[in-house]
Amino acid sequence: EAQVTQNPRYLITVTGKKLTVTCSQNMNHEYMSWYRQDPGLGLRQIYYSMNVEVTDKGDVPEGYKVSRKEKRNFPLILESPSPNQTSLYFCASSILRGLNTGELFFGEGSRLTVL
Amino acid sequence: DQQVKQNSPSLSVQEGRISILNCDYTNSMFDYFLWYKKYPAEGPTFLISISSIKDKNEDGRFTVFLNKSAKHLSLHIVPSQPGDSAVYFCAASEASGTYKYIFGTGTRLKVLA
Repeated sequence: EAQVTQNPRYLITVTGKKLTVTCSQNMNHEYMSWYRQDPGLGLRQIYYSMNVEVTDKGDVPEGYKVSRKEKRNFPLILESPSPNQTSLYFCASSILRGLNTGELFFGEGSRLTVL
Repeated sequence: DQQVKQNSPSLSVQEGRISILNCDYTNSMFDYFLWYKKYPAEGPTFLISISSIKDKNEDGRFTVFLNKSAKHLSLHIVPSQPGDSAVYFCAASEASGTYKYIFGTGTRLKVLA
């Protein structure tokens, strides 16, 4: 079954304690991306990657890091989480079509609370 | 600056009637538009898309209309069903190699049985 898998699905942590949210896709997609969803703000892009070792900032990258060492995995790293990073996070993947991507396939989401 | 706007946070429609969800955008370089549906505790799922070379795309009960001059797109669901109750996001991107999707804030549709 084609899917994007995120872990953990739920996490409560404290300010400053480093954490990683993993994302894995089994569709051999070149493109992967992270979004956060906040009330009244919709989905905002954090980082994206067009292929292994190729990453770039989205609209809200501050406080986050990513890496793309393998095509299937795209972890999101919060080196020193703060309460304003409390949010619902989604990983997504897609094929690349020239200068654009195809439709995004999303994971089920990771709800993060930073106390 | 919100480049993609969904001005109606919520919409209620009777089962069997038409649901019309609207989306406005400001960036004239956007050339590919998509609608996603999101149920609680799930990730968004792709519903339908439209390229800027078209003004209409249909898929079963779902039709998306694009009015480029007005920078407006709409999603029509006919007939609406209770299972359509969800949050709907529109998204836009430009074929510029930036590989970024800009999402609207979403419209919560409730279809009343």
